[in-house]
Amino acid sequence: GAVVSQHPSWVICKSGTSVKIECRSLDFQATTMFWYRQFPKQSLMLMATSNEGSKATYEQGVEKDKFLINHASLTLSTLTVTSAHPEDSSFYICSAQGWGGTEAFFGQGTRLTVV
Amino acid sequence: DAKTTQPPSMDCAEGRAANLPCNHSTISGNEYVYWYRQIHSQGPQYIIHGLKNNETNEMASLIITEDRKSSTLILPHATLRDTAVYYCIVRVVNQGGKLIFGQGTELSVKP
Repeated sequence: GAVVSQHPSWVICKSGTSVKIECRSLDFQATTMFWYRQFPKQSLMLMATSNEGSKATYEQGVEKDKFLINHASLTLSTLTVTSAHPEDSSFYICSAQGWGGTEAFFGQGTRLTVV
Repeated sequence: DAKTTQPPSMDCAEGRAANLPCNHSTISGNEYVYWYRQIHSQGPQYIIHGLKNNETNEMASLIITEDRKSSTLILPHATLRDTAVYYCIVRVVNQGGKLIFGQGTELSVKP
């Protein structure tokens, strides 16, 4: 299957700082990307959907000013957690789908710990 | 998006077939059935998807009932490495068709 790479795999940051997570499609052009977060022993929760060149569509209850999503190219999307707090500590996962594709492929996830 | 219902957990003996059921009684005509699995602390892995016909690939088989209200994922010869949470999802396949995850089935393959 196609390869989606996330970076970093894990990050520890201080409360109040911002953290950027990158999601890259390595062998296809991702016209749509999805961002999820997952708390321990829970399922994945969709945060937002982004189409290349357009503003992201956020799910209800997700603060768009806190979780900034940029999908400026067909191979890269970024999620920036601004002014992170301990409750933002979670596993963040991206998924990418190409034009006309029927499968969405997932990155390996980023473990964020805010201290 | 249509919702799915899966048993929270299942056990399977190594080498035997694992049959994971999923109910999606409110599925729409243009929604596909997808299966993903997630091994602990990793991103989900695509397994298979289908619309109305049964599908098979190198990983698994997908059996969809004629009325499309339920499906079964079959792992023909389960191994210990198949221990994971399996998610059944229905979605529209077009730009912006969301992948909404339910609680999934935690499959434990035992020696």
